[in-house]
Amino acid sequence: GAVVSQHPSWVICKSGTSVKIECRSLDFQATTMFWYRQFPKQSLMLMATSNEGSKATYEQGVEKDKFLINHASLTLSTLTVTSAHPEDSSFYICSARGASGGYEQYFGPGTRLTVT
Amino acid sequence: AQSVTQPDIHITVSEGASLELRCNYSYGATPYLFWYVQSPGQGLQLLLKYFSGDTLVQGIKGFEAEFKRSQSSFNLRKPSVHWSDAAEYFCAVGVRSGNTPLVFGKGTRLSVIA
Repeated sequence: GAVVSQHPSWVICKSGTSVKIECRSLDFQATTMFWYRQFPKQSLMLMATSNEGSKATYEQGVEKDKFLINHASLTLSTLTVTSAHPEDSSFYICSARGASGGYEQYFGPGTRLTVT
Repeated sequence: AQSVTQPDIHITVSEGASLELRCNYSYGATPYLFWYVQSPGQGLQLLLKYFSGDTLVQGIKGFEAEFKRSQSSFNLRKPSVHWSDAAEYFCAVGVRSGNTPLVFGKGTRLSVIA
């Protein structure tokens, strides 16, 4: 149980375009979802926290107008990178926490974004 | 706020040798503690976790970790390393309140030589 999927697993887009990444909890309801970003050979950096039906809370230094997060249902959160630039190329990982009250986070497999 | 320190950026061990990866945390109360492994280009895989109870935790792939409150540590161990264990290892700490997300250490890269 507790499976989180991400789609797509990798994407290449041109500079200036937008790309949407989906994160789904497949077998549980995720009241909270987290989005992380990971640069090569570095650790995960939290970008934002989103609760179902509420606006996301962004970490300091993360542009909310550039990284649009929507958590419209208990099983789906999306991250849209708007007007992508090469420096946005990274590995994006989502994580979900269930409604059962536990504190464990379940991680998706990640999405590799390359902006050309 | 909680924090995690993994003092070793890179460790190289011989196949069959024992392994210990260090993790120290900073938090005022008893935290939740996790170890994850990540192969290149892949997502995170949970190796083991500590919530409460027995301070020696067994995980997958023959890994174990021991929570030592007095040392604020949660070191990961394996008695005999296999070449397939070469990967990046992350220690993470969570707290028992609200929607606070896990905080990750910077990771330790494990290389295994023949």
